[in-house]
Amino acid sequence: ETVMTQSPVTLSVSPGERATLSCRASQSVITNLAWYQQKPGQAPRLLIYGASTRATGVPARFSGSGSGTEFTLTISSLQSEDFAVYYCQQYNNWLSWTFGQGTKVEIK
Amino acid sequence: QVQLVQSEAEVKKPGASVKVSCKASGYTLTESSIHWVRQAPGKGLEWMGGLDPEDGETIYAQKFAGRMTMTDDTSRDTAYMELSGLRSDDTAVYYCATNFQSNLLWGQGTQVTVPS
Repeated sequence: ETVMTQSPVTLSVSPGERATLSCRASQSVITNLAWYQQKPGQAPRLLIYGASTRATGVPARFSGSGSGTEFTLTISSLQSEDFAVYYCQQYNNWLSWTFGQGTKVEIK
Repeated sequence: QVQLVQSEAEVKKPGASVKVSCKASGYTLTESSIHWVRQAPGKGLEWMGGLDPEDGETIYAQKFAGRMTMTDDTSRDTAYMELSGLRSDDTAVYYCATNFQSNLLWGQGTQVTVPS
């Protein structure tokens, strides 16, 4: 099983600032890595897939990078609507996925 | 439009079983694996298992092995997830999801409630 570890658990950021979230895989997932945003009471929203490709309708301030075991989600200038929980997910194996435990981005 | 459509919410008694369906629309079920993910109140996303509808191969997360069964009806382009021996901590939203042609698609979620 590929274990996904996200850091930090909580990130306190002021609006307009840059946020950097990390995700580490216990073994290589190549670029089969996705990022999701989730707000209270809502389903997860796909932001990034293939480690760096933005999903349809996702603002350009969201960017993903990395390959192998180290990945980063960057939000270049936080807007009020970006305060949420973010999850990474590996889908490298056809039948076995795993998720990170999540990073909560909160207002500083 | 490619999408996954799930069955309606369920309320079950402790010890009972629940079966959630997930219908593929806009593509053929056998073209991609189907995964089940759940999220309990206030908790993170938890992968439960994956099914290859083409040959029926399954992989279950260790936590759910023996209590969860994934099946499909390819004639209806529908996948199913059955969870038995329900407990109050199985109360969660259950999602099906797939990686279809590099597109990660999720169903709308099915709330399963098991009152304590």
